[in-house]
Amino acid sequence: AQKITQTQPGMFVQEKEAVTLDCTYDTSDPSYGLFWYKQPSSGEMIFLIYQGSYDQQNATEGRYSLNFQKARKSANLVISASQLGDSAMYFCAMRHLSGSARQLTFGSGTQLTVLP
Amino acid sequence: NAGVTQTPKFQVLKTGQSMTLQCAQDMNHEYMSWYRQDPGMGLRLIHYSVGAGITDQGEVPNGYNVSRSTTEDFPLRLLSAAPSQTSVYFCASSYVAGAKDTQYFGPGTRLTVL
Repeated sequence: AQKITQTQPGMFVQEKEAVTLDCTYDTSDPSYGLFWYKQPSSGEMIFLIYQGSYDQQNATEGRYSLNFQKARKSANLVISASQLGDSAMYFCAMRHLSGSARQLTFGSGTQLTVLP
Repeated sequence: NAGVTQTPKFQVLKTGQSMTLQCAQDMNHEYMSWYRQDPGMGLRLIHYSVGAGITDQGEVPNGYNVSRSTTEDFPLRLLSAAPSQTSVYFCASSYVAGAKDTQYFGPGTRLTVL
């Protein structure tokens, strides 16, 4: 069974500093994708970054990077130079890429607050 | 390009009423799905579809029905609403093929069942 664990219910970071949001996963399938989504207070789900299980390099998208440690089954999100607009709920999710299911399994989320 | 649209944005029902949440996408995505989000929890999959005419159950399907008659539309039906179905409902879509199957979400429907 797939499982995503986010152990930090809430995090605080000072504006302009970097922050790491933790995510660990459990799967026996060798082919999977890991996603991070941002959910601001307005409620929409915004895709941030993707990492494939066979990708050799860590994914980066602007100020977002994914620290992918396959052996440890972790996929931590790093936000550099935090901005006030980064305050939101962040969800880690996993999707198996084999078979027809394609459903996302989500973690419980981390509420990030950026302090001025 | 509208992406994924959902209607209504808000809905209040009485216990036992039925209703349909609408979802449409204009990206020609084969895969569509419905999730619910409850306070303090991540999204949980209700039903999904890998193409027109094909649907399957997710993690929490009880009390919900779906159908997929076209590629664009994937309505979610609540057969007899219960207070436990009070939640925020998200529809999502993506391509099925390809490694980077990024799912794009609609804005959500906030449902309250009294």
